[in-house]
Amino acid sequence: AQSVSQHNHHVILSEAASLELGCNYSYGGTVNLFWYVQYPGQHLQLLLKYFSGDPLVKGIKGFEAEFIKSKFSFNLRKPSVQWSDTAEYFCAVNDDRNTGKLIFGQGTTLQVKP
Amino acid sequence: GAGVSQSPSNKVTEKGKDVELRCDPISGHTALYWYRQSLGQGLEFLIYFQGNSAPDKSGLPSDRFSAERTGGSVSTLTIQRTQQEDSAVYLCASSSRQGSNQPQHFGDGTRLSIL
Repeated sequence: AQSVSQHNHHVILSEAASLELGCNYSYGGTVNLFWYVQYPGQHLQLLLKYFSGDPLVKGIKGFEAEFIKSKFSFNLRKPSVQWSDTAEYFCAVNDDRNTGKLIFGQGTTLQVKP
Repeated sequence: GAGVSQSPSNKVTEKGKDVELRCDPISGHTALYWYRQSLGQGLEFLIYFQGNSAPDKSGLPSDRFSAERTGGSVSTLTIQRTQQEDSAVYLCASSSRQGSNQPQHFGDGTRLSIL
């Protein structure tokens, strides 16, 4: 069965630092990939998604992610984080196009110090 | 509002009681999903509805869990004879139609605590 691993459980950065959060999935077939973000006290929101085409995907708030098929990876990046990026970040994979159900990673808590 | 609405936002109940959790999806969204977010387990898929039918129930952890959807809109997740391990945040999401290329919109969740 498909599984998703997020390597960093808790990341602490200072403002303006660069961010990279790792995400790997296990099944090597056709997949759709997502990053969701949950800000404190808010619901999960879609940050960006990859379905096909250019493996470098740009999302909201300056985030981007790169799909590397050979590594089964979809790492999230941001060149310069802000205090407002403090949140929990979830990587998710779908490999069942009929249902669209998502398999999530464990999540990474990002704390940005002002 | 136009988002996914879940009720109650918090529920505390005694072990052995039954609970019902409600999800009101975005109007017109035909696909509806239930997930569970618990400590140490992350976010787990429970069940998927397309319209009123549930073609994928593979994530329901036991036969104490059931869900239904009526009128292609509101869904209810029922947990019978609750156990302490059922304590979690139960999230509902909807999308405009089935398929993985439709983004899922999440509600705020129901935080369930079993004493």
